[in-house]
Amino acid sequence: KNEVEQSPQNLTAQEGEFITINCSYSVGISALHWLQQHPGGGIVSLFMLSSGKKKHGRLIATINIQEKHSSLHITASHPRDSAVYICAVNPTGTASKLTFGTGTRLQVTL
Amino acid sequence: DTAVSQTPKYLVTQMGNDKSIKCEQNLGHDTMYWYKQDSKKFLKIMFSYNNKELIINETVPNRFSPKSPDKAHLNLHINSLELGDSAVYFCASSQVGAWQFFGPGTRLTVL
Repeated sequence: KNEVEQSPQNLTAQEGEFITINCSYSVGISALHWLQQHPGGGIVSLFMLSSGKKKHGRLIATINIQEKHSSLHITASHPRDSAVYICAVNPTGTASKLTFGTGTRLQVTL
Repeated sequence: DTAVSQTPKYLVTQMGNDKSIKCEQNLGHDTMYWYKQDSKKFLKIMFSYNNKELIINETVPNRFSPKSPDKAHLNLHINSLELGDSAVYFCASSQVGAWQFFGPGTRLTVL
């Protein structure tokens, strides 16, 4: 079983919908990351968080350390949000190492 | 002005050959990484260097040898390529404990 699990694996939404992607992990962590992989293959870091909530534009990331769970929300979704969203964690004591989830493929249609 | 660059972008080669992938970052970061993304799009760390010192080596076959001539460069040399080495290889960099900046990836196809 992977140390980082994401759900759903695939998600289709209509433009304007509110989207939630979930991430659960089974190890102690120092930080959790959300990444976006574009259809062209490039990977961009969206958030790094160790507690609470962060917001950037239409994206919001939350984390509950006690429940070992994080969510990525996208408000007012747009076709350009179509991508694979990847959750990754820094296991405790390994500041540089990232352990990845399997990703959530999001398709936003008009 | 690319932050993390990799060359080549595509690499097609025969089984048994030796090949290298180069990575450079101009962000002044101390730490650099190599990741492998398999055909199912799953990412896994291979190596990490901090200030030219190897700090992570994740049970990668010793046919893979990273080399960091300085903290801005981390190259990956692969000997005796096998079919299973076909994947996309991503380089990344960061300050220790900070978020990572990824290169564009190198798609390696072994025939």
